[in-house]
Amino acid sequence: GENVEQHPSTLSVQEGDSAVIKCTYSDSASNYFPWYKQELGKRPQLIIDIRSNVGEKKDQRIAVTLNKTAKHFSLHITETQPEDSAVYFCAASSGRVDMRFGAGTRLTVKP
Amino acid sequence: EAEVAQSPRYKITEKSQAVAFWCDPISGHATLYWYRQILGQGPELLVQFQDESVVDDSQLPKDRFSAERLKGVDSTLKIQPAELGDSAMYLCASSPGTGSSGANVLTFGAGSRLTVL
Repeated sequence: GENVEQHPSTLSVQEGDSAVIKCTYSDSASNYFPWYKQELGKRPQLIIDIRSNVGEKKDQRIAVTLNKTAKHFSLHITETQPEDSAVYFCAASSGRVDMRFGAGTRLTVKP
Repeated sequence: EAEVAQSPRYKITEKSQAVAFWCDPISGHATLYWYRQILGQGPELLVQFQDESVVDDSQLPKDRFSAERLKGVDSTLKIQPAELGDSAMYLCASSPGTGSSGANVLTFGAGSRLTVL
């Protein structure tokens, strides 16, 4: 089955700086790569996703890039704000089964 | 906004007891997932249903865990007997399913937090 690895496990940045979280996946059949944000005590919420037919997707301050050849994808947050502090999870899916999640990255944005 | 409903939100039980969690997915969503999330870790897939059929339960500890979705709508996850290591958040999620727009876009419920004493 799919195996997703995520790095780093913790990330601390100053407000206004950029944050980058990286994930690798194992199953070359995976074609859908979402990112979820989970605030303390709350459910994971989808923030952005990308499908394998594109290499990059952007939504305001967040962007995701995908390198299918290397089987890795990354989340980029620019101009970070304290409210961006949360745990971020990447995931990968082949479309029918196996929506597998990474172990998560705890992002802290210091004012 | 449509939501995935879960109950109970919190459950405290003693080891060796039976526990059950219920999930009602977003109306019309064919795919339903049960995940277990241990504090500080990512969600771990336990079982995935497509309508009433199990499509993946490879990570479900079948000696003590069972899941069903008899009519292809709501679902129940049961643990019997509960063990100390089962303490975790049990998250249910649903997605429209194959062939639909946004087929595998998951929406999570609020979760059921289990504490086994």
